[in-house]
Amino acid sequence: AQTVTQSQPEMSVQEAETVTLSCTYDTSESDYYLFWYKQPPSRQMILVIRQEAYKQQNATENRFSVNFQKAAKSFSLKISDSQLGDAAMYFCAYRSAHDMRFGAGTRLTVKP
Amino acid sequence: EAGVAQSPRYKIIEKRQSVAFWCNPISGHATLYWYQQILGQGPKLLIQFQNNGVVDDSQLPKDRFSAERLKGVDSTLKIQPAKLEDSAVYLCASSLVKTTGELFFGEGSRLTVL
Repeated sequence: AQTVTQSQPEMSVQEAETVTLSCTYDTSESDYYLFWYKQPPSRQMILVIRQEAYKQQNATENRFSVNFQKAAKSFSLKISDSQLGDAAMYFCAYRSAHDMRFGAGTRLTVKP
Repeated sequence: EAGVAQSPRYKIIEKRQSVAFWCNPISGHATLYWYQQILGQGPKLLIQFQNNGVVDDSQLPKDRFSAERLKGVDSTLKIQPAKLEDSAVYLCASSLVKTTGELFFGEGSRLTVL
């Protein structure tokens, strides 16, 4: 089974600063998708950004961007100009035709 | 567009009792998932349906957990009898495309087993 590893249980960032959340994964498949989901306290999980493995270009969504290193099986999330509303649990997820796995999550705190 | 609906939001039961959770996915989404999220952990897939057929239930504790999606729309997850370690949030998610689409999540059902 594929594994998704988030090595940072907790991260903090100053408001308006930039933070990077790490994610690595293990797979033998060539066709897959990677996601970052955000889960605010007691609220539902929502998609932040997705990356298709066949695309070399890193995905961006406004203040959110990824650094996708396919050979290294690394998929980090960069949040620029951090806002108080960015405080949440962030989950990295891997999806293929056969599997969908989530990492253990990184709790992001944003300091005013 | 209405999102994924789940009920109840909260449930407290004694161990060995039974509980059922309901999920109504986004209209038109053929794929439905049930995840278990224990506090401080990432979601763990329990079961995946494609329409009314089971695609993956390899991590479902079948001696106590059951799920059905009889008409290929809404779904019910049942636990009987519950154990203390079943305390978790049960997340329902749906997707339009089986293998490539993003998952849309409900707000979850938080279960506390005493």
